[in-house]
Parts: sequence; structure tokens; C-alpha cells
Amino acid sequence: DIQMTQSPSSLSASAGDRVTITCRASQSIDSYLNWYQHKPGQAPKLLIYAASSLQSGVPSRFSGSGSGTDFTLTISSLQPEDFATYYCQQSSSTPLTFGGGTKVEIK
Amino acid sequence: QVQLQESGPGLVKPSETLSLTCTVSGDSFSSYYWGWIRQPPGKGLEWIGYIYNSGSTNYNPSLKSRATMSVDTSKNKFSLKVSSVSAADTAVYYCARLTSGSLILDYWGQGILVTVSS
Repeated sequence: DIQMTQSPSSLSASAGDRVTITCRASQSIDSYLNWYQHKPGQAPKLLIYAASSLQSGVPSRFSGSGSGTDFTLTISSLQPEDFATYYCQQSSSTPLTFGGGTKVEIK
Repeated sequence: QVQLQESGPGLVKPSETLSLTCTVSGDSFSSYYWGWIRQPPGKGLEWIGYIYNSGSTNYNPSLKSRATMSVDTSKNKFSLKVSSVSAADTAVYYCARLTSGSLILDYWGQGILVTVSS
């Protein structure tokens, strides 16, 4: 199985801050990397697919980069509605696997 | 707008079979994969498997063959059964749509908590 490691596991930030979350795969997954946002009690939401493609309807302050084993999700200017947990997921091979999550909290 | 909704018992006894259904609305049921993911309390997300509308399946080996999925295209529903459950199967279970070929989970349900307890 491909192991996905996210860091940090949590962070505190203020509205307007630039936030960066990293995800590392245990082996190369090319660009088969997706990012999700999850708020309590809600359905997880796809933000970024194929490492850097923005899902339709997602604000442009979200961006993704990377390939191979190292990936980054960046929120350019954190908004109040962005406080949530973020997960990466590899779709290179089955079993599909997720990172442990990064909880973004209000500072 | 695609919507998915999980349904089923919230409490299952140990050694019994967990059964959940996902109802899909708002888009064609064809041409997509349909999957299940779970999250035990305080833990990360675990992919359980997916099914295509033809009935072909792919399961996570971690479930040790206890998971079975089926699809009813006439009702836009798909289902999950997990047999011989234990407390380790207590989790929020999510259903999701996967884009064919690229296995991206583009729409999810809100999730249903299933507790395994006597």
C-alpha cells in the first residue's frame, strides 16, 4: 500500500494568513494526488485533483502543486469559512489511501 | 448538483452484518464508480472499496473479504455489507462518487455513524 503522510497534523492561523500543508507519498504517484476539505457534520469536498487542478466552484485562493512524492496545498489568504480539516489522497493505485489530515484552527 | 445520502442502522451487534445503502440524486448513475470510505472515531479515512454500474468491484484487502458491494441502477442506489463486525468497525461511513478511470472522489455523502456494540 502507498502510505500518505501529511504535515502538520494541526495548525493555528488567522484570517488573511497564507497557509501551506504538505503531503508526502511513500513512493512516486506522479500527479495522482487529490485534496479534500472536511467540516464537522458535512460531506467532504473535493478541492484539488491531479495535484494542481482546481475543482469547479472552488475559490482560486486554493492551489496545489507537486509531483512524484511531495505535494503542497496552499491557501493564499485564509478566510473564516476555510477553518476545517484537510486530507490528501492518492489515486495512483488501489487500495486508495489518505493522509492523516491537517486541522486548520482559528488563532 | 449530485447528492448522495447514506442510510441504515446506526447500531449493529458484534459478529453480525453491517448493511448500508447510498441513494444518489441529481445526475446520471452511469459512467461512474461508486465507493465507500469510513473513519473510525479519532482516526483517519480508510477506503473500503468501489463498484461500477456493471457490478464489477474493487475492495481494500484490509477488510479481509468481509466487505460486499452491490448496485441497483434502476433505483440509483448502491449498498455495502460488512460481515462479522467487531468494535473495530465502529466508524462514520461515507459513500462517494468516483470519476471513472481517475478514481477521484468528487462527491461525498454526509456520512452515517455506525456503532458496533451489544
